[in-house]
Amino acid sequence: DAGVTQSPTHLIKTRGQQVTLRCSPKSGHDTVSWYQQALGQGPQFIFQYYEEEERQRGNFPDRFSGHQFPNYSSELNVNALLLGDSALYLCASSLEMNTEAFFGQGTRLTVV
Amino acid sequence: AQSVTQLGSHVSVSEGALVLLRCNYSSSVPPYLFWYVQYPNQGLQLLLKYTTGATLVKGINGFEAEFKKSETSFHLTKPSAHMSDAAEYFCAVSDPGGFKTIFGAGTRLFVKA
Repeated sequence: DAGVTQSPTHLIKTRGQQVTLRCSPKSGHDTVSWYQQALGQGPQFIFQYYEEEERQRGNFPDRFSGHQFPNYSSELNVNALLLGDSALYLCASSLEMNTEAFFGQGTRLTVV
Repeated sequence: AQSVTQLGSHVSVSEGALVLLRCNYSSSVPPYLFWYVQYPNQGLQLLLKYTTGATLVKGINGFEAEFKKSETSFHLTKPSAHMSDAAEYFCAVSDPGGFKTIFGAGTRLFVKA
């Protein structure tokens, strides 16, 4: 079992650009959550996807959007990148209504 | 609304000493509580969780935590620190549905030889 895999591991983008991050959940998991972890801080909840729908959303602007595919994998899209979007983006997968989430190693996004 | 406060951004202990990392939470519904560990440049690994039932929960690597509703606390302990315990530790709270998990700011644990 490969666990939760995220790609790419590192990414450098220019201010104003758009970025797409990808996540494959742990085998058998149907729920995917995304978090932003700025340097020196705890992860901040962005949103959660279940059955290809956004089920819950944190306090993030509409520039942050996502998608879940029929195979449960997910993408996080960020438009009009700002310097402040530089962070480690973590994906976590779980089973519906199961509280135990498994995290990927994250994608380190740097906006210059 | 839910929130988590971790007391102490840095904690330093000697190898073999007691580890105590403090966490207080706020929740309007019965909380589910978690402790995660993060090693440099890695994701988060679940140490232990409290959902319902026994208030003293045991996790991996010798860690345990006690849910104290009256004190709204969920402190993490380990009787004897090892060098390999040096990492960042995060306390988190979620609603019973697990829809949204709120993390504390983290406590970095240093272990001195």
